[in-house]
Amino acid sequence: DAGVIQSPRHEVTEMGQEVTLRCKPISGHDYLFWYRQTMMRGLELLIYFNNNVPIDDSGMPEDRFSAKMPNASFSTLKIQPSEPRDSAVYFCASSVSQGRNEKLFFGSGTQLSVL
Amino acid sequence: LAKTTQPISMDSYEGQEVNITCSHNNIATNDYITWYQQFPSQGPRFIIQGYKTKVTNEVASLFIPADRKSSTLSLPRVSLSDTAVYYCLRPDYKLSFGAGTTVTVRA
Repeated sequence: DAGVIQSPRHEVTEMGQEVTLRCKPISGHDYLFWYRQTMMRGLELLIYFNNNVPIDDSGMPEDRFSAKMPNASFSTLKIQPSEPRDSAVYFCASSVSQGRNEKLFFGSGTQLSVL
Repeated sequence: LAKTTQPISMDSYEGQEVNITCSHNNIATNDYITWYQQFPSQGPRFIIQGYKTKVTNEVASLFIPADRKSSTLSLPRVSLSDTAVYYCLRPDYKLSFGAGTTVTVRA
């Protein structure tokens, strides 16, 4: 299995631009998670999906952030408009439901820099 | 919301054993404890999970006492490549990773 695949690996954009991050979970996994990692705040959960349905988006910083999962093999995290404080590494992870004891499999992340 | 508590950092030398203890009071009856490892520029990687007593795999051992209020991750004979951040997780509505423990292995 190729694991969780994220693209792009690096993204540099200017403030105000729209940014779209992409994720392909491991086939057969029914949970998908988006995390953001910064030095100041560590690894934060933004949103997670179960069977393509958003379950909890309370970690999404504000309305500028949105996430979708149109099918079991693809998810996007969009920031519009982007701001310099959005600069971080964004990770996608997937798992198979194990009754609260899930093992998460992470992608390599997208390093986002907003200038 | 009850969380886990672990040391911020630990230093070690090659060949030594490293033990990282995580506190998780009020852990639920059916909850397991899971540990992840994160290298720079990579996503966290699952290394071990346990419920009670001892679990061992090719990477580490995990010790969980009978009261299950804490757990200890043991890395035997560390090498420079074991330098990483180690996270202790309990099942949580938000699967919060916290700051983890930064383990630095020196030659």
